[in-house]
Amino acid sequence: TQLLEQSPQFLSIQEGENLTVYCNSSSVFSSLQWYRQEPGEGPVLLVTVVTGGEVKKLKRLTFQFGDARKDSSLHITAAQPGDTGLYLCAGAWTSGSRLTFGEGTQLTVNP
Amino acid sequence: GAGVSQSPSNKVTEKGKDVELRCDPISGHTALYWYRQSLGQGLEFLIYFQGNSAPDKSGLPSDRFSAERTGGSVSTLTIQRTQQEDSAVYLCASSEIRIYGYTFGSGTRLTVV
Repeated sequence: TQLLEQSPQFLSIQEGENLTVYCNSSSVFSSLQWYRQEPGEGPVLLVTVVTGGEVKKLKRLTFQFGDARKDSSLHITAAQPGDTGLYLCAGAWTSGSRLTFGEGTQLTVNP
Repeated sequence: GAGVSQSPSNKVTEKGKDVELRCDPISGHTALYWYRQSLGQGLEFLIYFQGNSAPDKSGLPSDRFSAERTGGSVSTLTIQRTQQEDSAVYLCASSEIRIYGYTFGSGTRLTVV
């Protein structure tokens, strides 16, 4: 069984702090995606990474794909209350296969 | 349509009743997925459609669960003889083939009492 582990499960920080969320697997990903979900809504795609070592930036969010394509991280700089939400990583182990989601990281940014 | 539409948004049903959940994907998206999400948790895969066929049904938890897709568009997820453990948010997503990234609907919150 291919598993995708996400940590931490919960994160509560003050506005302006930095944070990192991790996503790991024992198997190699074909591609990996990060989503953000707000209450009462479906997840919304933030980024897709496919190349080992790839780094993508989206405003204050930095996404990194590990060289071996088995892990990924999401780093948020100077978190804002608007960043509050459930962050989900999702991986495909073969090209075109359906996504397997991690358990998510519930982020709360306090003003 | 502009996005993935799911109905109803909320459904409360009595234990033992059957329910039908509907998903209307983005026009032209050939792939359609159903996931289930318990409170504050990650997404549990249920079933995947490519066109009208379902090459991956491996996530359906029991034979009480079934799904179909007609005309390569609308999909219906049916749960027969609902149980309390079926309570969850059921999410539908669609995607274009060979294009990364799913577009999700807002989900149907199912409560079995």
